[in-house]
Amino acid sequence: KNEVEQSPQNLTAQEGEFITINCSYSVGISALHWLQQHPGGGIVSLFMLSSGKKKHGRLIATINIQEKHSSLHITASHPRDSAVYICAVLTDKLIFGTGTRLQVFP
Amino acid sequence: DVKVTQSSRYLVKRTGEKVFLECVQDMDHENMFWYRQDPGLGLRLIYFSYDVKMKEKGDIPEGYSVSREKKERFSLILESASTNQTSMYLCATTQNYGYTFGSGTRLTVV
Repeated sequence: KNEVEQSPQNLTAQEGEFITINCSYSVGISALHWLQQHPGGGIVSLFMLSSGKKKHGRLIATINIQEKHSSLHITASHPRDSAVYICAVLTDKLIFGTGTRLQVFP
Repeated sequence: DVKVTQSSRYLVKRTGEKVFLECVQDMDHENMFWYRQDPGLGLRLIYFSYDVKMKEKGDIPEGYSVSREKKERFSLILESASTNQTSMYLCATTQNYGYTFGSGTRLTVV
């Protein structure tokens, strides 16, 4: 069993929809990262969380340490949000989920 | 802004060639990492370095080596490239739990 599980693996949405991507982990962590990867490969860090909730523009990330679960929400989704979203947890190293591929259609 | 630069976006090499992937950071960070990314497997750690001339094996070091002669530069070396090393390679650096990634090198070994 992977130490970091993401769901769903693939997600298709219409522009304007509210989107949720989930991440569950099974190890003790120092922090949790949400990353975005566009076609072409570069990875951008969206959030780093150790508790509670963070918001940046239309993106919101939450974490529940007791339940070992985090969610990434995108409000009013847009085609430019189409990307792979990766959850990664920091233990003595960074452990990555396999990603959620999001496609937002106009 | 922190910057991590990988020298090549796309690379095609022949089986048996020695391949160098270069990564340069401009933040004076001590920690640097090399990952490979494959469909369904996510990112996996190949090697990392906490200081100049220091290196540690990650989860999948076989077939790879690294070099860190200067703090800003961390090189990944494929001594004799094989087709199963066709992959996306990503360099990263970290400070205070935050990570910055390079834009990746997509390597194809034919």
